[in-house]
Amino acid sequence: DQQVKQNSPSLSVQEGRISILNCDYTNSMFDYFLWYKKYPAEGPTFLISISSIKDKNEDGRFTVFLNKSAKHLSLHIVPSQPGDSAVYFCAATRDDYKLSFGAGTTVTVRA
Amino acid sequence: NAGVTQTPKFQVLKTGQSMTLQCAQDMNHEYMSWYRQDPGMGLRLIHYSVGAGITDQGEVPNGYNVSRSTTEDFPLRLLSAAPSQTSVYFCASSTRLAGGGDTQYFGPGTRLTVL
Repeated sequence: DQQVKQNSPSLSVQEGRISILNCDYTNSMFDYFLWYKKYPAEGPTFLISISSIKDKNEDGRFTVFLNKSAKHLSLHIVPSQPGDSAVYFCAATRDDYKLSFGAGTTVTVRA
Repeated sequence: NAGVTQTPKFQVLKTGQSMTLQCAQDMNHEYMSWYRQDPGMGLRLIHYSVGAGITDQGEVPNGYNVSRSTTEDFPLRLLSAAPSQTSVYFCASSTRLAGGGDTQYFGPGTRLTVL
């Protein structure tokens, strides 16, 4: 049973607008959450993370929000750029090593 | 640093054949892992290792073996390939995550097709 879920397989957004990607998890023991970005024919690359003791983390155009009571996190990309077109994976861990991944959301940024 | 390297990039096998996917990292990371990526499934953990000589099963270990004789290398062996093992395989390495802002670093992947 998948413990991390990304219910939107795809998202299309106009260049310059905000992209919002959502992720839900079921395991309340998860204490560290990460977002990865993946281009075709490449391995995933780390984008941003958040610890369970925080509710927000920002890095440039990327912000991750964590709502522990709802077991929900989201990634905001503002403004969206053509180079942001990729697959985004949400991941979570509870024991410092093993990651559980969501199925991914394919983002397409339209010019 | 080369980071995490994987060979081969592509491989086609016939059902029943065996092969080894190679993975190496030069970051002196204690933790290494293997994932497979299938459409609509995300990345699923196959096997992992928390140090040389220590390995354990992940979410989908059946049909795969691993060993960790050195810190740098973590090969994945397919004992008798089956069409269900057609997938893209990623190797990753990291130090402890522990909320300290660290992450797993992934290799470029091996695309395996089993006929």
